[in-house]
Amino acid sequence: AQKITQTQPGMFVQEKEAVTLDCTYDTSDQSYGLFWYKQPSSGEMIFLIYQGSYDEQNATEGRYSLNFQKARKSANLVISASQLGDSAMYFCAMRGIKTSYDKVIFGPGTSLSVIP
Amino acid sequence: DAGITQSPRYKITETGRQVTLMCHQTWSHSYMFWYRQDLGHGLRLIYYSAAADITDKGEVPDGYVVSRSKTENFPLTLESATRSQTSVYFCASRQRVNTGELFFGEGSRLTVL
Repeated sequence: AQKITQTQPGMFVQEKEAVTLDCTYDTSDQSYGLFWYKQPSSGEMIFLIYQGSYDEQNATEGRYSLNFQKARKSANLVISASQLGDSAMYFCAMRGIKTSYDKVIFGPGTSLSVIP
Repeated sequence: DAGITQSPRYKITETGRQVTLMCHQTWSHSYMFWYRQDLGHGLRLIYYSAAADITDKGEVPDGYVVSRSKTENFPLTLESATRSQTSVYFCASRQRVNTGELFFGEGSRLTVL
């Protein structure tokens, strides 16, 4: 069975500082994908970044990077130079590619607050 | 406009009533998903579909029914609503590619009294 764990219900970060949001996962699939989504207070879900399990390099998208450690089954999101607009809920998600038939499941989320 | 739309956006109903939440996407994405969002639980997968007429259970399917007769539509029905089904429901779709991200609707807030 697939499972996503996000152990930080809430995080605070000073503006312009970097912050790491933790995500660990469990899956029996050999091939899978990992996503991060942002949900601001307005409620929409915003895609941030994707990492495939066989990608050799960690994914990066602007100020977002994914610290992927396959052996540890972790896929932490790093936000560099935090901005006030980064205050939101952040969800880690996983897609199994074979045995899980493309199910995409989410973790419980981390609430990030950026302090001026 | 192209995209993924949910209706109704807000719904109040009573225990025992049948409710259908609609989801429509214009991209011809193969995959469609229904999630519910509750505080402390994140998004939990209810049902998903890999193509028209192909659906499968997610993490929390009990009390829900889905169908997908056309690629673009994926309605979610609560056959006999319960208070525990009060939630925000999100529909999503994605392409049949490895890196395909999920595209979400705006959500439907359902209150069961």
